[in-house]
Amino acid sequence: QVQLQESGPGLVKPSQTLSLTCTVSGASVNSGTYYWSWLRQHPGKGLEWIGYIFNNGDTYYNPSLKSRVTLSADTSNNQFSLTLRFVTAADTAVYFCAREFCGTNCYFDYWGQGTLVTVSS
Amino acid sequence: ETVMTQSPATLSVSPGERATLSCRASQWISNHLVWYQQKPGQAPRLLISGASTRATNIPARFSGHGSGTEFTLTISSLQSEDFALYYCQQYNNWPRTFGQGTRVEIK
Repeated sequence: QVQLQESGPGLVKPSQTLSLTCTVSGASVNSGTYYWSWLRQHPGKGLEWIGYIFNNGDTYYNPSLKSRVTLSADTSNNQFSLTLRFVTAADTAVYFCAREFCGTNCYFDYWGQGTLVTVSS
Repeated sequence: ETVMTQSPATLSVSPGERATLSCRASQWISNHLVWYQQKPGQAPRLLISGASTRATNIPARFSGHGSGTEFTLTISSLQSEDFALYYCQQYNNWPRTFGQGTRVEIK
C-alpha cells in the first residue's frame, strides 16, 4: 500500500522560507512513471498545483510560483521536499504531497493527509 | 494555462436523486480530465480519469462524460456518503489545473 506523509513547520514568518518534506512508503521516488507532486489548498478554496519532481530528478513548476519554488528528492530516505521562499500570508494553505501516475491516463492516485501551514508573524 | 470552470458552485439534492455536475475547460483538452471527491479534512479521492474511466473501487453510480471542453460527472442515485466537494482537473498540459469545485449538499 502506497502512503505519503507530509512533515514540517505549521507556522512560518512572512518573508521566510517554507520547507516541507513528504515521506513515501510502498513506492520508490526514483523509479516508475510517477510525478511526485506538491499541491496546496487555500482555506475554503480550490486546489493549486505547485510542481513535480520526476524519478530522474527533472522538475517542473507552476509558472505562478516558479521564481520562489524548489523541489528536491532524497532517494536514500525515499522522500521529496518543497521549498517556498519569501512567503506571505497568501501562502497560508493546506499543503499536500501526491503521486501523479501517467499511463493511458494521468491522475493523482495517492495523497498525503495534508498539512496546514500558516504564514504569520 | 487552461482554466477549468465548474458549475454550479453548490448543488442541493435529495438522497436517491440524480446529480449532474459540469466542468468546462478554457481550451480543448481531449478527454484528459479527472474528477475527484473531497470530504472535510481529507485529501481528494480519485473518482474518474480519462473523462469516463472509473477508478478502482468507485461505485458504478458515478459516471463521467465529455470530450474537448465540456464534461459532466453524474451521480445516478445519491447516497449519504456522496455529499461532498467535487473537483475536475485537466492533465492535457502543464500546469495541472483544477476547477473551483462543486459542493453537493443535502436538500
